[in-house]
Amino acid sequence: NAGVTQTPKFRVLKTGQSMTLLCAQDMNHEYMYWYRQDPGMGLRLIHYSVGEGTTAKGEVPDGYNVSRLKKQNFLLGLESAAPSQTSVYFCASSYAGTGLSGANVLTFGAGSRLTVL
Amino acid sequence: EDKVVQSPLSLVVHEGDTVTLNCSYEVTNFRSLLWYKQEKKAPTFLFMLTSSGIEKKSGRLSSILDKKELFSILNITATQTGDSAIYLCAVPKNSGGSNYKLTFGKGTLLTVNP
Repeated sequence: NAGVTQTPKFRVLKTGQSMTLLCAQDMNHEYMYWYRQDPGMGLRLIHYSVGEGTTAKGEVPDGYNVSRLKKQNFLLGLESAAPSQTSVYFCASSYAGTGLSGANVLTFGAGSRLTVL
Repeated sequence: EDKVVQSPLSLVVHEGDTVTLNCSYEVTNFRSLLWYKQEKKAPTFLFMLTSSGIEKKSGRLSSILDKKELFSILNITATQTGDSAIYLCAVPKNSGGSNYKLTFGKGTLLTVNP
């Protein structure tokens, strides 16, 4: 019962460095999302994908890129990290559709804590 | 712009107390409201509410929606230390016919002391 797995769990970067966060889900979910969580800000959507090969911008997409080459994987990239990107990043996935088996019932990963110095 | 406002932002109670958490929203074309619980790491789904006045219940937790006044409450009775968590309220953002992007509130941090 792996669910949603994020790697790495922790990472420290220097300003200007690049990195990729990997999210993998084994539930055959159509939709995948990347959120960031900052103190006092709640969860904010960075990018999302409604299917293999498709991605779209969320609320706070600047400074991030994503790719979904395979249905089960969703990658979040930081090309040139900035201190403002210090945050906890959550990947989530869901089925398509509505109701309790639908798109709003998210399964989250355990989070990746990123610190940019 | 869609808004989801939770109150209080934090709350400290003693075991056995009953708590009420609030979530108000302003969303065009409202369809549903969801509650999630976030303990140490990943948020987990609690309830989905779509109709006014119909209580959803799971053990000591219950929730109800008021679509006229645009709010929901989450009640926890006989609180336990294991209820300590951040409780998140979320509403789907309706744009272009889609409803899969959630707008989250800032959350309520509940601390239950023994």
